[in-house]
Amino acid sequence: DAGVTQSPTHLIKTRGQQVTLRCSPKSGHDTVSWYQQALGQGPQFIFQYYEEEERQRGNFPDRFSGHQFPNYSSELNVNALLLGDSALYLCASSSPENRQGAGIGELFFGEGSRLTVL
Amino acid sequence: GESVGLHLPTLSVQEGDNSIINCAYSNSASDYFIWYKQESGKGPQFIIDIRSNMDKRQGQRVTVLLNKTVKHLSLQIAATQPGDSAVYFCAENKPGSYIPTFGRGTSLIVHP
Repeated sequence: DAGVTQSPTHLIKTRGQQVTLRCSPKSGHDTVSWYQQALGQGPQFIFQYYEEEERQRGNFPDRFSGHQFPNYSSELNVNALLLGDSALYLCASSSPENRQGAGIGELFFGEGSRLTVL
Repeated sequence: GESVGLHLPTLSVQEGDNSIINCAYSNSASDYFIWYKQESGKGPQFIIDIRSNMDKRQGQRVTVLLNKTVKHLSLQIAATQPGDSAVYFCAENKPGSYIPTFGRGTSLIVHP
């Protein structure tokens, strides 16, 4: 059973360019969340997708957008890249069972995509 | 603003010792807390969780304690092993939210 997979693992872009990161959730999971993790910091929530729609969004500008496909996989797009966008981008998935009761239960994270903006 | 934070950025212990990682939270509405472990080059991995109607929860070699009076959360690791070396994050959830808010993290270094 494959866990959460992300691609690419590493990439380098220049300021002003655009990037697309991809995520396949763990089998049986229907919800995908994206996080940005700067060096030495905790993950910061970008947005969450469920049923192909953005359900919740963190404090990130509109340059950050996403999409979820019918097979539950997801993409994160960042336009007009800035140096400060350099970070590890993490995808996490969760299952319907996680949502029973209060809280979200266990999130399963991928290993991330390391983005460097020069 | 309300946030999740950690008391110590780095904790060094000897192999075999017990480790205690602390976390302070300021959002009194949070009702669900999670500890994650992140090894170098990997994504965070769920360790253990606890709901606000509990004070203590035990897993395999790990125990989470919740003190709602002082808004404090701790993770205890028994007989710490070199493989426990990682950054540990606490995260909190508000009622009805599916989004955990992460703190900055504590780096645990285990010396053989």
